[in-house]
Amino acid sequence: GAVVSQHPSWVICKSGTSVKIECRSLDFQATTMFWYRQFPKQSLMLMATSNEGSKATYEQGVEKDKFLINHASLTLSTLTVTSAHPEDSSFYICSARDPAGGETQYFGPGTRLLVL
Amino acid sequence: QKEVEQDPGPLSVPEGAIVSLNCTYSNSAFQYFMWYRQYSRKGPELLMYTYSSGNKEDGRFTAQVDKSSKYISLFIRDSQPSDSATYLCAMNSAAGNKLTFGGGTRVLVKP
Repeated sequence: GAVVSQHPSWVICKSGTSVKIECRSLDFQATTMFWYRQFPKQSLMLMATSNEGSKATYEQGVEKDKFLINHASLTLSTLTVTSAHPEDSSFYICSARDPAGGETQYFGPGTRLLVL
Repeated sequence: QKEVEQDPGPLSVPEGAIVSLNCTYSNSAFQYFMWYRQYSRKGPELLMYTYSSGNKEDGRFTAQVDKSSKYISLFIRDSQPSDSATYLCAMNSAAGNKLTFGGGTRVLVKP
């Protein structure tokens, strides 16, 4: 199956700093990528849909100025958590849609963020 | 009421048994159905992908979709301890790419 990578796999930062998370599709071109957040023992919560070359579409309740998403190429999308606070600590997962695979989405391994 | 309902479990079975998982949904526009497996602290891994109604088999996994009943199932034969994970159903319509997930079922396969 298609492979999606994320970097870093985990990050610890101080409150008030910004953190950038990268999501890459390694063996296919992804016109659409998605960013999710997951709290312990809960399902995935979609934060935003990212289309290459255009602005991301954010889900209701997600602050677009706090969670900056850039999808500059067909294989890379980035999520920047700006001025992070302890409540932003979570597991962030990206997924990418493989156009050759219909509506299938492939997920990255996730990034664990801890804000102190 | 959630758009996709999934029993959270945990579902505990002995090694070698058949694991039976299911989801019900309310949106008749859903046409694409997926099952993902997620280990703790890992990203979801795609197991099965089905378009519209019918059955699909891949190794020990069988996915079934009954659109008339708005009900999908995943069966895991000859279950192994390594199958212990959370299983998520997901679906979307042809018109959009956004997936709607069930809450996940935690499965424990005991040796």
